[in-house]
Formats: sequence, C-alpha cells, structure tokens
Amino acid sequence: DVKVTQSSRYLVKRTGEKVFLECVQDMDHENMFWYRQDPGLGLRLIYFSYDVKMKEKGDIPEGYSVSREKKERFSLILESASTNQTSMYLCASSLILGQGQQKLFFGSGTQLSVL
Amino acid sequence: AQSVTQLDSQVPVFEEAPVELRCNYSSSVSVYLFWYVQYPNQGLQLLLKYLSGSTLVKGINGFEAEFNKSQTSFHLRKPSVHISDTAEYFCAVKRYGGSQGNLIFGKGTKLSVKP
Repeated sequence: DVKVTQSSRYLVKRTGEKVFLECVQDMDHENMFWYRQDPGLGLRLIYFSYDVKMKEKGDIPEGYSVSREKKERFSLILESASTNQTSMYLCASSLILGQGQQKLFFGSGTQLSVL
Repeated sequence: AQSVTQLDSQVPVFEEAPVELRCNYSSSVSVYLFWYVQYPNQGLQLLLKYLSGSTLVKGINGFEAEFNKSQTSFHLRKPSVHISDTAEYFCAVKRYGGSQGNLIFGKGTKLSVKP
C-alpha cells in the first residue's frame, strides 16, 4: 500500500514563527500536493510539485512556500505564521499516468494552530 | 474555468436508508470526475472516478455515481447506508490542462448516519 506520512498530527506555533510541515511518500510518485482544509471551504490547493525542484502555485499560495529536494519529500513552509493559517493541512501524492488516469493518496493531515 | 458545487453541506440519514449526495460541475471541456471520502481523523481516499465510457460508475463500499452530461451532475448514491459510512465526502473535477493530477475539490458534504 502507498503510504503518505505527515510528520506531525498536531502542531501549535506562535505568530511570526517559521513553520515547517513535512510530508514523505514511499511509492516513487512524481506528483505531490499540499492542501489546506477549512470547515465549509473544502480543500484548497496551496502548492504542488510534479518533479524534484519543480513547483507550481495552487489557488492560495500567499504566505507559503515549498521545497522538494528529493522525490519522496515535499515540505510546506510558513515563513511567518499568522493566525489565519490555523487549519488542517493535507499532503497528497499521485502517479503520472495517462490523461485523467490518476489517483491521489492522502496523508492523515496536520492540524496546525497558530496562537 | 472549472468548478464543483456540492449542494448539501450536511446530510443526516438513518441506518439502512438510501442516500444521494449531490454534485454539480461546470466546465466547457471534457471532464474527469471523482468522489473522495474522509473518515474522522484520516486523510482522503478515492471512492470512485469517471473518466469515460459507462455513465454509471461503481466504487468501493457499495457506492455508485452517475455521470449526467446534460445536467452536468455526478451524484453519489448508496441504496442502504451503514453507521460506518459516516464521513465527509468530496466531489472533485480534474483541472483541465496544466500539470497532471491537479484536482478542484467541492466544499464537502458531511454524511451522518444515525441508528
């Protein structure tokens, strides 16, 4: 089975801190994604990466950056955490197959609280 | 631009009753459609997907969905629900063009199955 592991289940940080959220997948997937999930808003894409050192902005990239130095690891960085970044963060990975032939595998999520 | 609308934020039903979770999409091009399920304290997992061919798609756990092009809908159904189906369900459409594997998610429908 594919495993997508997020390093922390719960995280509490202070406003202004630099925060790193780590995600590791064990199936050699090309694509990796960071979403945030908020009640009533569903999942919104922050950033995604389709190869090592390659990244693209999603729908809400402001206040975030990402790093993908190795294929299996995709890090989300909050340069200066703010209270409006309190959220559930979900990492996902997928293979590149034929058009439309894809399946996202999700981690269990990191609940980040910024105080 | 594509979008996904889930018409109900919450659906309460009794055990063994049928259920339909509604999803409408907008797109001017061919679409690939997905339903994901999120059980409490877990990440999302794929229930089923429509890529082409038969408009009735069967997924895991007894769920099925019907693609209706004229009504731009992809409603999820189950003839008899179980307590263990209590979860949040997300409809998604693959973002046309751009990098592979990029999905647009609806805001989610919380299914609550009562005994």
